[in-house]
Amino acid sequence: EVQLVESGGGLVQPGGSLRLSCAASGFTFGNYWMSWVRQAPGKGLEWVANIKQDGSEKNCVDSVKGRFTISRDNAKNSLYLQMNSLRVEDTAVYYCARDDGGALNSWGQGTLVTVSS
Amino acid sequence: QAVLTQPSSLSASPGASASLTCTLHSGINVGAYRIYWYQHKPGSPPQYLLNYKSDSNKQQGSGVPSRFSGSKDASANAAILLISGLQSEDEADYYCMIWYSTAWVFGGGTKLTVL
Repeated sequence: EVQLVESGGGLVQPGGSLRLSCAASGFTFGNYWMSWVRQAPGKGLEWVANIKQDGSEKNCVDSVKGRFTISRDNAKNSLYLQMNSLRVEDTAVYYCARDDGGALNSWGQGTLVTVSS
Repeated sequence: QAVLTQPSSLSASPGASASLTCTLHSGINVGAYRIYWYQHKPGSPPQYLLNYKSDSNKQQGSGVPSRFSGSKDASANAAILLISGLQSEDEADYYCMIWYSTAWVFGGGTKLTVL
């Protein structure tokens, strides 16, 4: 059974940093692109970033460029999102998802990030 | 103008059919894109439903009932998610998504109420 478990969320002040992790199991992690998707309170889904199987290619939404970095460790079956210079508008539930060519067909339960003073 | 535009809400009766539209920006042609659809219920992660490029090029998500189907209306430059035989458990938010300019882009979502 595919499992994705996010961790690392919490309360942080504006300008602060957080590192989210996503532990994967039940599939060959290194064979798949992986994505981060977020949902701010009362808002819709917003794709944040994705990363190729070997980490050689990364994409992200314009609003996080220069602040967020996606990475992975295939030996540890783990996906990461380093978030720096956090803003109030980054407050959201962050999901990791297995990216099967656009079919984000497996999702974690999400981790809440709250940016507030 | 947003890349993908969805009506914010839609209501339909149990047993009826619901057509959820996803209109693409006037500068991009729906025929060129594979459209992905997701269902999202409060308190749960989103669920992938299906993708649709054409009648001969489409895929249903694993375990997704056949009463969920995709299509396109080229004249409206829109993608459509059709849900037939509506059930109370279909009440959820529905999102379309495409790959556009090196990014996955979601529509704003449609809240479907079944009443």
